[in-house]
Amino acid sequence: AQSVTQLDSHVSVSEGTPVLLRCNYSSSYSPSLFWYVQHPNKGLQLLLKYTSAATLVKGINGFEAEFKKSETSFHLTKPSAHMSDAAEYFCVVSDPTSGGSYIPTFGRGTSLIVHP
Amino acid sequence: NAGVTQTPKFQVLKTGQSMTLQCAQDMNHNSMYWYRQDPGMGLRLIYYSASEGTTDKGEVPNGYNVSRLNKREFSLRLESAAPSQTSVYFCASVRASGSGAYTQYFGPGTRLTVL
Repeated sequence: AQSVTQLDSHVSVSEGTPVLLRCNYSSSYSPSLFWYVQHPNKGLQLLLKYTSAATLVKGINGFEAEFKKSETSFHLTKPSAHMSDAAEYFCVVSDPTSGGSYIPTFGRGTSLIVHP
Repeated sequence: NAGVTQTPKFQVLKTGQSMTLQCAQDMNHNSMYWYRQDPGMGLRLIYYSASEGTTDKGEVPNGYNVSRLNKREFSLRLESAAPSQTSVYFCASVRASGSGAYTQYFGPGTRLTVL
């Protein structure tokens, strides 16, 4: 069975400082892992994904995440926060089903607040 | 190329009323999904359709039915709406690559209020 835990419901940073959003996962397989961003009253946009290639994954808008199997973590980072990064972020894990389909499990989300 | 579209964008229902949320994708994806999003809960899977002609329950299917009308369209029906179904509903579809990797694409959402 798969599960995902986002360790912080809210993260507050100042503009220009680093961002760290933490995610731990549980999976019976070699999982696919994703980060999505949702701006207020908008849909979800894929930031980046890990699918068993390089463990350091680069995404859009300067975000990256590192897959650490020993720690079962997939934390999202960005060197310097912008005001436009203020949004809700979701970590997602997905194991393949026996039928070959994909059933993702979403974390509860981390709200990123960026102060001027 | 519109991606994933959903109608309506907003809806207000009275308890006991029924309605159908429509979803369509023009990316020739096989798999489609319905989620609901509630504050602090992330997205929870209601139903999914791995391929045309198949549907399966997700985490929170009670009170909902779905129809995979064809490869493009996947509708969600509330037969007798309840206040607990007040939520934002998202439809998604999946493109799977040959390596087993996949990308999920989301619609803009339907904001439903049940009074």
